[in-house]
Amino acid sequence: DAGVIQSPRHEVTEMGQEVTLRCKPISGHNSLFWYRQTMMRGLELLIYFNNNVPIDDSGMPEDRFSAKMPNASFSTLKIQPSEPRDSAVYFCASKLGRQGNEQYFGPGTRLTVT
Amino acid sequence: AQSVTQPDIHITVSEGASLELRCNYSYGATPYLFWYVQSPGQGLQLLLKYFSGDTLVQGIKGFEAEFKRSQSSFNLRKPSVHWSDAAEYFCAVGPMNYGGSQGNLIFGKGTKLSVKP
Repeated sequence: DAGVIQSPRHEVTEMGQEVTLRCKPISGHNSLFWYRQTMMRGLELLIYFNNNVPIDDSGMPEDRFSAKMPNASFSTLKIQPSEPRDSAVYFCASKLGRQGNEQYFGPGTRLTVT
Repeated sequence: AQSVTQPDIHITVSEGASLELRCNYSYGATPYLFWYVQSPGQGLQLLLKYFSGDTLVQGIKGFEAEFKRSQSSFNLRKPSVHWSDAAEYFCAVGPMNYGGSQGNLIFGKGTKLSVKP
């Protein structure tokens, strides 16, 4: 089975540009999570969806960040406009929404904003 | 407040030596407990998990962890470390109703493991 797929794997952009990160969860999984990982703050949950509905977006840093899940097999995380402090590795994870099931992580997107 | 503490930021062990990585949690009830490993440039991979039952849990790659309710701990162990175990290790907790709409995990800050030849 294919795991969680993220694209692009690396993104370098200039400050002020729009950045879109993409995620395809494991087929059949109904919960999807977006995380950000930095040296300073570690792994932070940004938002998660259950059955395509955003459940908790309290981790989204500010209005420049938005996430969508238009269907069960695709999600995007958008940053507009991007800033250098957004540089991080962004992970997508998915899980089957039964008690105790673990999250499966994608390989991450390394974002560099110059 | 719910939290996970991994007190050791960086540990170095010799290849072949035993390993114990510490994890303490603060939670209102018995949570689900997980250990993940992250190799450089990779995503997180599940090593093992605890839900209930036997407090000693076996995982992949020869790792095990023991849940101690009285100490609110879930320490990860391996009897003999291999050079390929060098990575960062994350402990995580999830609520007892971790499913459906209550799906988020709380992660520790991670412990980086270096292995000396």
